Amino acid sequence: ETGVTQTPRHLVMGMTNKKSLKCEQHLGHNAMYWYKQSAKKPLELMFVYSLEERVENNSVPSRFSPECPNSSHLFLHLHTLQPEDSALYLCASSQAAGNTEAFFGQGTRLTVV
Amino acid sequence: DQQVKQNSPSLSVQEGRISILNCDYTNSMFDYFLWYKKYPAEGPTFLISISSIKDKNEDGRFTVFLNKSAKHLSLHIVPSQPGDSAVYFCAASGAGGTSYGKLTFGQGTILTVHP
Repeated sequence: ETGVTQTPRHLVMGMTNKKSLKCEQHLGHNAMYWYKQSAKKPLELMFVYSLEERVENNSVPSRFSPECPNSSHLFLHLHTLQPEDSALYLCASSQAAGNTEAFFGQGTRLTVV
Repeated sequence: DQQVKQNSPSLSVQEGRISILNCDYTNSMFDYFLWYKKYPAEGPTFLISISSIKDKNEDGRFTVFLNKSAKHLSLHIVPSQPGDSAVYFCAASGAGGTSYGKLTFGQGTILTVHP
């Protein structure tokens, strides 16, 4: 148990569906992140929220839409995804400032059919 | 352009021996380095870190070495145990304060420790 919980753990969706991934952290952190891990690739940073404000968007297509309603919750809204978007999506949290480790959730395994 | 590289996709070691995992980076702005361990179907778990002002950090069986001039770091596990079998990721972050803990990861090295 890392203090970062992601739901669902597995998701299969069609290309026309709309779904959302949820992340919740109980560590008192004030920065949250979405990472993507595709097969045989490094983890890629998608979005960063610091103090509930989006501070980084790494050229992610608009079919991925993040939302951070408060410092404990982070969502990733998905719509009209492509099969190549199938991957493991990982949420992480950390303190916003200074060098510090990030704590990861267990991830959502997404399959787009 | 991959800024953090783990050139060995896999490593196999006998139980009780030393495991050495290597990582190279290209961005001289990185000043904080971390190692994560990942089991299948789980998220990465933080293992150990090192700041660029140090060249060594030790925590139990795990030691991380940093060679800034070579832009190289390594993770030593001794003695290796079968439970250490996992994927190990090297990660780096830039100057504190504005980096928000953003991490750049290597591709990972699969460590297998044989009994």
